[in-house]
Amino acid sequence: GAVVSQHPSWVICKSGTSVKIECRSLDFQATTMFWYRQFPKQSLMLMATSNEGSKATYEQGVEKDKFLINHASLTLSTLTVTSAHPEDSSFYICSARDVNSGRGETQYFGPGTRLLVL
Amino acid sequence: GNSVTQMEGPVTLSEEAFLTINCTYTATGYPSLFWYVQYPGEGLQLLLKATKADDKGSNKGFEATYRKETTSFHLEKGSVQVSDSAVYFCALSRSGGYQKVTFGTGTKLQVIP
Repeated sequence: GAVVSQHPSWVICKSGTSVKIECRSLDFQATTMFWYRQFPKQSLMLMATSNEGSKATYEQGVEKDKFLINHASLTLSTLTVTSAHPEDSSFYICSARDVNSGRGETQYFGPGTRLLVL
Repeated sequence: GNSVTQMEGPVTLSEEAFLTINCTYTATGYPSLFWYVQYPGEGLQLLLKATKADDKGSNKGFEATYRKETTSFHLEKGSVQVSDSAVYFCALSRSGGYQKVTFGTGTKLQVIP
């Protein structure tokens, strides 16, 4: 089956620093990737849709300048949390859509990255 | 807009008990429906899906039938195991194009020996 990886799986950083999270589709091409944030005991909140070769589409209320997304290739999207603060601590999950998938639009999820900002 | 409503958890069952997790949705057109599972400390995994009315998705003993007349996609399993303990998310995606997935709030299942 389709595999999506994320790196790193865990990151602890100091307040004010920037953190980059990578999302890779390992065995398929993904023109579209999604970035989600999950708060404890809550569902996933879509942050943005990452489109290969173009600007990301951000959901309402998500700061574009704080959460920088780059989708440089068909297999890689990155999320950079700039000037991280403790309230940015969360579980960040990416997903990728296989361009060859038919009706059903199955998304394949990465294992998530847990960010802790001290 | 699209929305998904799941029964609130947590759900606690004894091993080998029957499981039902209710899910209803609101959407225009004919969305695709999904159940995802999240084991402790891990990301989401697709459990099963259905793309049109009356389709039944099934995997690992879990089943869910796409009921358009009741806008439901309830998850069932005849005999749960301790290893099924996880959080289950019902979700939908509008067909066509690169539509985002709308998730329910998740239902935590705990199976005790």
